[in-house]
Amino acid sequence: AQSVAQPEDQVNVAEGNPLTVKCTYSVSGNPYLFWYVQYPNRGLQFLLKYITGDNLVKGSYGFEAEFNKSQTSFHLKKPSALVSDSALYFCAVREGARRDDKIIFGKGTRLHILP
Amino acid sequence: DAGVTQSPTHLIKTRGQQVTLRCSPKSGHDTVSWYQQALGQGPQFIFQYYEEEERQRGNFPDRFSGHQFPNYSSELNVNALLLGDSALYLCASSLTGSTGELFFGEGSRLTVL
Repeated sequence: AQSVAQPEDQVNVAEGNPLTVKCTYSVSGNPYLFWYVQYPNRGLQFLLKYITGDNLVKGSYGFEAEFNKSQTSFHLKKPSALVSDSALYFCAVREGARRDDKIIFGKGTRLHILP
Repeated sequence: DAGVTQSPTHLIKTRGQQVTLRCSPKSGHDTVSWYQQALGQGPQFIFQYYEEEERQRGNFPDRFSGHQFPNYSSELNVNALLLGDSALYLCASSLTGSTGELFFGEGSRLTVL
């Protein structure tokens, strides 16, 4: 069965500094990987995805993520953090491209950007 | 283009009662997935519907059931509510055959007293 691990409950970064939110995954086949963001009392918003191809994928709001197959990781990054980036971030994995493949989420990492 | 809409946004029930939550998918989407998000936790997969049938199910008891209608909208029903069922229930839609990203509604916040 697929699984996702986000080892950090919270990440604190000063505004303007680069940020990284970590994610590792486990699947039996080729992974489809996603990052979502959640603001208080809201649903999840899609940020970016990795399906195949270039290991560095770019998404919304200046975020990017690096897929590393050997380390089974998919870390979220941003070169320069903004206070408005403060939110809850979820990594997710889908095991493949079958129409009934479900998407499983990690427990989330709270990102706190310090002014 | 309307996104995913859920109703009601908030509701309060007592233990033992039953609840029905509703979801309309994003225009053009045919697959609906339901997730339960307890406070401080990640979304937990409940089940997925397309072509009006349950296709995948997570580790949830039979008290949790669902339905999908011909217009792709969906309902989540929970019977014999427990205090532990208090959570944000998220509906997500997607398009079969796409690369799979989900589009989420704002959720229905259920409180069981």
